[in-house]
Amino acid sequence: DAGVIQSPRHEVTEMGQEVTLRCKPISGHNSLFWYRQTMMRGLELLIYFNNNVPIDDSGMPEDRFSAKMPNASFSTLKIQPSEPRDSAVYFCASSPPTGFGGYGYTFGSGTRLTVV
Amino acid sequence: SQQGEEDPQALSIQEGENATMNCSYKTSINNLQWYRQNSGRGLVHLILIRSNEREKHSGRLRVTLDTSKKSSSLLITASRAADTASYFCATAYTHNYGQNFVFGPGTRLSVLP
Repeated sequence: DAGVIQSPRHEVTEMGQEVTLRCKPISGHNSLFWYRQTMMRGLELLIYFNNNVPIDDSGMPEDRFSAKMPNASFSTLKIQPSEPRDSAVYFCASSPPTGFGGYGYTFGSGTRLTVV
Repeated sequence: SQQGEEDPQALSIQEGENATMNCSYKTSINNLQWYRQNSGRGLVHLILIRSNEREKHSGRLRVTLDTSKKSSSLLITASRAADTASYFCATAYTHNYGQNFVFGPGTRLSVLP
């Protein structure tokens, strides 16, 4: 298995532009998580899906952030419009069924977002 | 907050020495997990210990859990330069509105050759 695949690895965009981050979880994993990591705030859970359904999006910072999971093999995190304070590394992780903390998460390599 | 807190924030040791990192948390948990993150990379799951377990081993890693003190420790024996990374504990717990899984701020370990 290729693991959790995220794209792009790096994204530099201008303030106000729309940014879309992509994630392909491990086949068979039915839980998917989006995290954001910054030096100031550490790792923050933004949203998680179970069987493609968003379960808890309370970590999504603002309405500018939205996430979708149209099928079991693909998820997107969109920021529109982007702001400099959104600069961070965004990680996607997946876990097997009953995986909410019940099993280890497998993380992707992350997308480093820079908004200038 | 429920967030686990690791200490120390940073640890520097010589190759071959043992490294011990601690994690404290605030409320009852379902399990506690340790992860490693190399610079510029994603997190890698190391080990999971359930609330009814007290100790687990995986290779050179030893994790203990003391639920009475709400703390855990990660011991890396015979450290190597390749162990240089940040180490995070994460706690899984159930609250009134569901479940949550929270990472601590991490310990930066430097193993000097």
